[in-house]
Amino acid sequence: DAGITQSPRHKVTETGTPVTLRCHQTENHRYMYWYRQDPGHGLRLIHYSYGVKDTDKGEVSDGYSVSRSKTEDFLLTLESATSSQTSVYFCAINTLAGGPGNEQFFGPGTRLTVL
Amino acid sequence: KQEVTQIPAALSVPEGENLVLNCSFTDSAIYNLQWFRQDPGKGLTSLLLIQSSQREQTSGRLNASLDKSSGRSTLYIAASQPGDSATYLCAVSGTNAGKSTFGDGTTLTVKP
Repeated sequence: DAGITQSPRHKVTETGTPVTLRCHQTENHRYMYWYRQDPGHGLRLIHYSYGVKDTDKGEVSDGYSVSRSKTEDFLLTLESATSSQTSVYFCAINTLAGGPGNEQFFGPGTRLTVL
Repeated sequence: KQEVTQIPAALSVPEGENLVLNCSFTDSAIYNLQWFRQDPGKGLTSLLLIQSSQREQTSGRLNASLDKSSGRSTLYIAASQPGDSATYLCAVSGTNAGKSTFGDGTTLTVKP
């Protein structure tokens, strides 16, 4: 499972409050990703990181920010949560290392409900 | 923009049947294709990874093929079992930072 953990696993919050989700990996992979999964939309990329302090936007980045101050941790922040951000959030790593590989492994997910 | 389609959206078969799940993608310039399994309320488990230069990969009762020129991949499951019941997703990645585009998945039910 590539040693990926996510916290919290479940969270209920109110509209307008800030929320931070944490992804932690134990194997020093360079590439990390945040996805959201919604019925009818599948998995969509929010943000990704290609190293410490190196991040970029995915296809649904509005309303989200990320930070990566250490290789092992990738944080996703909802600055002011909205009901449309109710979703299941998955963190993933990629074994991409300049050679054969490029296999993704996923964390267990965080179920976020915004009331 | 890459688009990935999985057909059918749902499939129900009796135990023991061999079955094929389909995945198609619009841009053939991919780096690799990966098949995942997702159980209800769980994360994604990697099943098979096919590099763009490969035609197929096998793991136990699973065989995945890739035809890059036609933009298609199939996941073949032999002698299906009730424990195979899950949603199967395919994802294609390009050369840019390993980012992937996912299909919506095929939900498989194997009846005892």
